[in-house]
Amino acid sequence: KNEVEQSPQNLTAQEGEFITINCSYSVGISALHWLQQHPGGGIVSLFMLSSGKKKHGRLIATINIQEKHSSLHITASHPRDSAVYICAVSGRGGSEKLVFGKGTKLTVNP
Amino acid sequence: NAGVTQTPKFRILKIGQSMTLQCTQDMNHNYMYWYRQDPGMGLKLIYYSVGAGITDKGEVPNGYNVSRSTTEDFPLRLELAAPSQTSVYFCASTHPLTSGTDTQYFGPGTRLTVL
Repeated sequence: KNEVEQSPQNLTAQEGEFITINCSYSVGISALHWLQQHPGGGIVSLFMLSSGKKKHGRLIATINIQEKHSSLHITASHPRDSAVYICAVSGRGGSEKLVFGKGTKLTVNP
Repeated sequence: NAGVTQTPKFRILKIGQSMTLQCTQDMNHNYMYWYRQDPGMGLKLIYYSVGAGITDKGEVPNGYNVSRSTTEDFPLRLELAAPSQTSVYFCASTHPLTSGTDTQYFGPGTRLTVL
């Protein structure tokens, strides 16, 4: 069993829809990261969180430490949001190594 | 700042050849990482470094070597390339805060094919 599980693997939405991507992990962590991989392959960090909730524009990330679960929400989705969204966790060892989920491929149609 | 840069962007190798993937960051980050990404799989950690002169193995180190002689550079060496090393390689860096972890900055990736 992978340490980090994401669902769904693939997600297709219509423009304007509310999107939720889920991430569950099985190990103790110091932080959880949400990353976005563009169709061209580049990876950018969206959020890093260890508790509660963070918001940036139309993106919201939440984490429940007790349930070992995080969600990434996209409000008013747009075709430019089409990308692979990756959940990753960093452990407590101090080296900030990341363990990644397999990603969720999101396609937003106009 | 250029951030994290990687060269080359693409490379085709023959089985048994060797090469070095270059990674440089100009953010004075002390932590650097090499990951590989295979289709349908999550990124896997190959090697990492927490500072100049210090390196350690990640999840999939076999067939690779690294060095960290400066804060800026973290090259990844492939010896005796094999088809199983066909992948996209990403370098990343971060600078952990004293109170916790920090976001990682990724290079653009190197797409390597071994034939």
